[in-house]
Amino acid sequence: GESVGLHLPTLSVQEGDNSIINCAYSNSASDYFIWYKQESGKGPQFIIDIRSNMDKRQGQRVTVLLNKTVKHLSLQIAATQPGDSAVYFCAENESSGTYKYIFGTGTRLKVLA
Amino acid sequence: GAVVSQHPSRVICKSGTSVKIECRSLDFQATTMFWYRQFPKKSLMLMATSNEGSKATYEQGVEKDKFLINHASLTLSTLTVTSAHPEDSSFYICSAESGGEETQYFGPGTRLLVL
Repeated sequence: GESVGLHLPTLSVQEGDNSIINCAYSNSASDYFIWYKQESGKGPQFIIDIRSNMDKRQGQRVTVLLNKTVKHLSLQIAATQPGDSAVYFCAENESSGTYKYIFGTGTRLKVLA
Repeated sequence: GAVVSQHPSRVICKSGTSVKIECRSLDFQATTMFWYRQFPKKSLMLMATSNEGSKATYEQGVEKDKFLINHASLTLSTLTVTSAHPEDSSFYICSAESGGEETQYFGPGTRLLVL
C-alpha cells in the first residue's frame, strides 16, 4: 500500500547547528502535508504544514520543503536547541475527503550540547 | 487556540474491566475527532474517525465492539476500551479538526496499563 516513510530513524545534531529531517511519501494524490513534534509521553505538537501547490514554507526557525517530483518532504530547523530534542513525524492527508492522515515512522532528533 | 485535552492522562486497571477516555476540544468545535494508538517507539496508528452525531468509522482490524467511540457533542468524544486485557495497554491519543480545516490538533495522550 501507499505510505509515508522516513530515511533516518535517529539524527544527532550539535546545538546551534541546523537540522534536516527527511520524509518520503508515495501517494501522489496527497495534497496536504504536516510536520509534528512529539516529546516523550506527550501528544504530537503541530509544527508546520504545506500544501501541494507550494514548494516551501517558513515558520519560526523551521522551514518545510516539498519536492513533488521525487515525492520528498523535509523539515529544516535552524540553530537547533536542546528543546528541539524529540521525535518528529511527517504526515500526509490522503485527500479522500475524510482528512485522514498517514504518519511516517518518525525520526528522533538528539541535540548534543 | 486549538487546544485539545484528554482525561485521564494515565490509568491503571484490572483485566476485564472497562476504561473510558475523554477527548475535548477546548476552544473550537470539532466536527471530526480521531483516535490513535501508539506503541513505544512507534508511529501513530489510526483506530477510528469520529464525526459528531454519527457512528464512528473504524480502521481495518480495529474491533468496534472492543473500542466503543461516542461523539456526542462538537467538543467531546469518548473512547471506551471494553473488557480490557494486558495487550490493550498502550498510549491512546485523540485529535480534533474543525470543519473544513485539514489540520488535526492532538491531545496530550492517555497512558493505559492493564494488569
